[in-house]
Amino acid sequence: IQMTQSPSSLSASVGDRVTITCRASQGINNYLNWYQQKPGKAPKALIYAASSLQSGVPSRFSGSGSGTDFTLTISSLQPEDFATYYCQQSYSTLYTFGQGTKLEIK
Amino acid sequence: EVQLVESGGDLVQPGGSLRLSCAASGFSFDTCSMHWVRQAPGRGLEWVSYISYSGSPKYYADSVKGRFTISRDNAKGSLYLQMDSLRAEDTAVYYCATREDSGDYLDNWGQGTLVTVSS
Repeated sequence: IQMTQSPSSLSASVGDRVTITCRASQGINNYLNWYQQKPGKAPKALIYAASSLQSGVPSRFSGSGSGTDFTLTISSLQPEDFATYYCQQSYSTLYTFGQGTKLEIK
Repeated sequence: EVQLVESGGDLVQPGGSLRLSCAASGFSFDTCSMHWVRQAPGRGLEWVSYISYSGSPKYYADSVKGRFTISRDNAKGSLYLQMDSLRAEDTAVYYCATREDSGDYLDNWGQGTLVTVSS
């Protein structure tokens, strides 16, 4: 299953609302997860099962979608949110990740 | 506190072998399925392999199938990745991660270990 994220990179300002899109090459129900990765660090789970917030993750992060189209939304960007974001499907036993979206400060 | 500590990364020549380890602590390792995920320098995340809590089943990405072998020792709280016939494109940071069963996602990650394949 191929996962395609858009955009590949995004410039935004603190306080902006940002949306990242992830599309699966076939239907995956809601088996879609989102991760945040900062330079030199391991990824961190943000959202699982398309819309469930991982414990400890701020409520400004939200996820939606089902089937083939999914979104990650950050309602009001904070300085610590500038990072790379990845979607990942767990519908297939062979997991796959999107190529990533790098969120940069404008 | 969940801790995952990878080790074994090194510089190895093409065609060579390497064994990575992941030492787990702070949770019930013997009831937790595990994954390996890698990241080539400057690139995105690539899922590599999965092993269930019992040791079977195991799954592999097409890019490593037939060359890599995942295993675990529940008594020692350790996960392994035996990598044979290594290629330049296997150069990456390798992470071990726990699978959260109810949500089917990777909820805890190690800090990673670097494998460099070069002559």
